[in-house]
Amino acid sequence: EAGVAQSPRYKIIEKRQSVAFWCNPISGHATLYWYQQILGQGPKLLIQFQNNGVVDDSQLPKDRFSAERLKGVDSTLKIQPAKLEDSAVYLCASSPLGGRTYYEQYFGPGTRLTVT
Amino acid sequence: SQQGEEDPQALSIQEGENATMNCSYKTSINNLQWYRQNSGRGLVHLILIRSNEREKHSGRLRVTLDTSKKSSSLLITASRAADTASYFCATDTGRRALTFGSGTRLQVQP
Repeated sequence: EAGVAQSPRYKIIEKRQSVAFWCNPISGHATLYWYQQILGQGPKLLIQFQNNGVVDDSQLPKDRFSAERLKGVDSTLKIQPAKLEDSAVYLCASSPLGGRTYYEQYFGPGTRLTVT
Repeated sequence: SQQGEEDPQALSIQEGENATMNCSYKTSINNLQWYRQNSGRGLVHLILIRSNEREKHSGRLRVTLDTSKKSSSLLITASRAADTASYFCATDTGRRALTFGSGTRLQVQP
């Protein structure tokens, strides 16, 4: 089974510019997550979708970050405008709605964002 | 915010030795999971322990959970150079979104 796909893998932008990240979860996984991982820290949840509805976006900086999951499959995360402190790896993960691995998350390779 | 704190932050051992890392957390949980992150790779799920379990084994991994102390430990036995990675504990309150600790960087010397 194919894993979680993310693109681009690397992105360098200047502060105040905008950027978008794309994620394609494992086929059939209804739940999708975006995490932000700053260097030297553990990942922090930004937003959780179930199908195309938002379950939790309490830690998403909504003044600059937005995310959508059209048709309950692919998702995009956008930052506009970017700040220096947004430099991080953005990880996408997915999990099934049932079954033995219900609580496990499958992570993509991440997008490394550098804001200069 | 980070739910857990991991100890130690960094650990260096020789191949064949055992590695133990600890995790503390703050709130009640449904389950606790351990993930590994290699340089250049994504996070990989290792093992899950539910709040009503005290110990779990998977291959060379042994996880314990003490909900009264809000702590967990991960033991890797007979370590290999390929075990070199960062290890994170992550807690789930039942909503399935994970709160990660700060991680332990393990270096296994060949």
